[in-house]
Amino acid sequence: DQQVKQNSPSLSVQEGRISILNCDYTNSMFDYFLWYKKYPAEGPTFLISISSIKDKNEDGRFTVFLNKSAKHLSLHIVPSQPGDSAVYFCAASGWNSGGSNYKLTFGKGTLLTVNP
Amino acid sequence: NAGVTQTPKFRVLKTGQSMTLLCAQDMNHEYMYWYRQDPGMGLRLIHYSVGEGTTAKGEVPDGYNVSRLKKQNFLLGLESAAPSQTSVYFCASSHLRDRWHNEQFFGPGTRLTVL
Repeated sequence: DQQVKQNSPSLSVQEGRISILNCDYTNSMFDYFLWYKKYPAEGPTFLISISSIKDKNEDGRFTVFLNKSAKHLSLHIVPSQPGDSAVYFCAASGWNSGGSNYKLTFGKGTLLTVNP
Repeated sequence: NAGVTQTPKFRVLKTGQSMTLLCAQDMNHEYMYWYRQDPGMGLRLIHYSVGEGTTAKGEVPDGYNVSRLKKQNFLLGLESAAPSQTSVYFCASSHLRDRWHNEQFFGPGTRLTVL
């Protein structure tokens, strides 16, 4: 049973436009969410995160929105650049009974292609 | 500061052979993880460690063993490789600063093919 779902395997946008990547989760215990970016033949790199006490977190061109009632988060990239072309993974964790949240559950990823 | 490194980068095995993948991190992180990535499957956790001398099973542990004898190293072993273990393997590490800052840092990956 997938607890973190990225229902769009791929997304194509024009350079300069907005890219919106979506992620849904089912586990109500999740309260910390991250986005990772992965280029071919490289490891994933951390992009941005958001905690459940916020509904928005912004870092430069990247903004993550969290809708807890819908169990949905999205990553907005504005403006999109060709260098943003990569696979984007959504990940989530929850604070466990041992007092930590070190384990992440990943979605299957969305391949973003930004066309010049 | 190299971050997370993995050895080897590529490997081809025959069914039944054994091998060990090495992960090293120089960030003094407590937590270390082994994932596998398969097409259309995302990243799945194989085993993880919350500190030197400790290991625990993740989502897909069968066919793998791990050891964490030193804080900076996390080894993933395949005792008898099977074609189903053909995958890209990623090691990661993290430091729990607080509840809202626990990002994992990944190595470059090891591409393993089992014939």
